[in-house]
Amino acid sequence: QQQVKQSPQSLIVQKGGISIINCAYENTAFDYFPWYQQFPGKGPALLIAIRPDVSEKKEGRFTISFNKSAKQFSLHIMDSQPGDSATYFCAASPNYGGSQGNLIFGKGTKLSVKP
Amino acid sequence: DSGVTQTPKHLITATGQRVTLRCSPRSGDLSVYWYQQSLDQGLQFLIQYYNGEERAKGNILERFSAQQFPDLHSELNLSSLELGDSALYFCASSAIGSTEAFFGQGTRLTVV
Repeated sequence: QQQVKQSPQSLIVQKGGISIINCAYENTAFDYFPWYQQFPGKGPALLIAIRPDVSEKKEGRFTISFNKSAKQFSLHIMDSQPGDSATYFCAASPNYGGSQGNLIFGKGTKLSVKP
Repeated sequence: DSGVTQTPKHLITATGQRVTLRCSPRSGDLSVYWYQQSLDQGLQFLIQYYNGEERAKGNILERFSAQQFPDLHSELNLSSLELGDSALYFCASSAIGSTEAFFGQGTRLTVV
């Protein structure tokens, strides 16, 4: 049973464009929603994260939009750059005694930004 | 560099064998998590240890086990290996009360 559904599987965007990746979750016990970025040969690295009491969070060119009633959240990458080409994973986690590395990941989106 | 160290980077072994993957968490992090990444299953949470004790279990097979030692390093033991166990195995660590998990660079296991 896949608890976090991510789309699209792959995305090609022109340099300077906006990249949008969407995720949907099922478990209402989730209360932490991070996005991870992974380059080939590397481990995932935290990009940005949000909690359900906030509808939007922005850090530089990266924005998370969160819709609690629809159980959906999305990552927007503004002014996409070739260096953003990577695989992006959304994830969700229940609050587990204050430690939230117990993550349920989406299947990932491979982003290619064309120069 | 995340500060999480995993060894070895690559491991090739035969079916039926047993291997041990090692993880050193970031200095001071008490929580260690193990994840498996494969093409068909994606990134899957296997198990979490906190200060030496098992804290949470995910989709970990009975052939797999883990432990965390007093110096906080962790080992993931995989036994009776099958071809389907070929994957990247990641270790992550986090500080108490922190929402951020830092991942190591992974161990690529190939079962032949």
